Amino acid sequence: GQNIDQPTEMTATEGAIVQINCTYQTSGFNGLFWYQQHAGEAPTFLSYNVLDGLEEKGRFSSFLSRSKGYSYLLLKELQMKDSASYLCVTMDSNYQLIWGAGTKLIIKP
Amino acid sequence: DAEITQSPRHKITETGRQVTLACHQTWNHNNMFWYRQDLGHGLRLIHYSYGVQDTNKGEVSDGYSVSRSNTEDLPLTLESAASSQTSVYFCASSESGETAELFFGEGSRLTVL
Repeated sequence: GQNIDQPTEMTATEGAIVQINCTYQTSGFNGLFWYQQHAGEAPTFLSYNVLDGLEEKGRFSSFLSRSKGYSYLLLKELQMKDSASYLCVTMDSNYQLIWGAGTKLIIKP
Repeated sequence: DAEITQSPRHKITETGRQVTLACHQTWNHNNMFWYRQDLGHGLRLIHYSYGVQDTNKGEVSDGYSVSRSNTEDLPLTLESAASSQTSVYFCASSESGETAELFFGEGSRLTVL
C-alpha cells in the first residue's frame, strides 16, 4: 500500500536548526512536495524534489533519497513564525498526491 | 492579484440537508481540487477537475458531487449531509501539468449535527 510516515510533533528553539523527516512507500514515484500549514490556515507550497539530493531555498532546504524512500526538510535560523505543521506529500505513478498527516513544529523562545 | 476563495468559511447544518460549498479562482487554472482535512489524517481528495465539463472521483467521493461549468468555479455539494462529513474542506487549483504546485483557498469548516 501507499504510506507516508512523519513525526507527529517536534519542538525546537528559536534561532536553532531542525530537521523534519519523512519516509514513504508509494506505487511508483513522481516527486515529493513539502507544504507548510499554519494553524487555521491553508497549506502553502515550500518545495518539490524529484531527483536525489538537496534543494536549498533560503532558510529552508529539502533532501530526497529515492532509493531509501526518504526525505527531510531542514529549517535553519528558526523564527517564531515557523511554528506550523509541515506536510510531506508524494506523487505516485498515476500523478496522484499522497499526503502525510503532518508534523506540528513548536518553536520556543 | 489572483486568488482562490471559498464560501461559506463556516457552516453548521443538520443531518440529511443538502449543502453546497463554493470555490472560485481567478488564476485561470485548468486544474481544481476538493480536499477534506481531519485530525490525524493527511488531506484526502474528494473530487477533482482538469477542465470545463471534466470531473473525477477522488479517494473519498461517496456522498459528494461536483460540477465544472466554467474555468473559475468548482462547487462541492453534499447531497445528504452526514455527521461523518464534519470536517474542514479545502479547495485548490493548479496550472496544467502534474507536478505543478497547488494553491489553496482559506478552507470551509463544516459541522453536521
